[in-house]
Amino acid sequence: DQQVKQNSPSLSVQEGRISILNCDYTNSMFDYFLWYKKYPAEGPTFLISISSIKDKNEDGRFTVFLNKSAKHLSLHIVPSQPGDSAVYFCAASIQGAQKLVFGQGTRLTINP
Amino acid sequence: DADVTQTPRNRITKTGKRIMLECSQTKGHDRMYWYRQDPGLGLRLIYYSFDVKDINKGEISDGYSVSRQAQAKFSLSLESAIPNQTALYFCATSRDGVDYGYTFGSGTRLTVV
Repeated sequence: DQQVKQNSPSLSVQEGRISILNCDYTNSMFDYFLWYKKYPAEGPTFLISISSIKDKNEDGRFTVFLNKSAKHLSLHIVPSQPGDSAVYFCAASIQGAQKLVFGQGTRLTINP
Repeated sequence: DADVTQTPRNRITKTGKRIMLECSQTKGHDRMYWYRQDPGLGLRLIYYSFDVKDINKGEISDGYSVSRQAQAKFSLSLESAIPNQTALYFCATSRDGVDYGYTFGSGTRLTVV
């Protein structure tokens, strides 16, 4: 049973435009959410996170939005750059459990 | 040197063989994790360890075992490899739980033929 779902396996966006990656979760106990970015032949790297007490967290070009009532979060990248082309994983945790549950990943391609 | 080092990077093995994947870290983190990545399934937790004497099963531990030889070393073993264990395996470490995010190794691509 997939508790964290990324329903779009791939996304293609033009350079300079906004990229929006979506993630849904089913476990209402999740209270901490993270996004990871993965390049080929490398491990995932931490990108940005958000606690359930917030609905938005921003870091430079990256913003994560959390809608708890809809059990939905999204990652916005503005403006998109060619170096943003990667696979993005959404992850969730219950604080105290100290282990992450990951989504399936979305492959983002930024076109020049 | 990488903070989290996995060896080997690539391995092809035959069905029924025993194989060990190794992970070592220089982060000084207590918590270590093994995940596997499969297309369409994302990253799934195999085993995790919060310190040398603490080993826990994840969601897909069947067919795997682990050993935490030291704070810095966490090995994953496939006692008798089968083809559906073909996957990309990642080791990760964390400091005080997930709030700070994980640091991942570069992965081991394992093929069981």
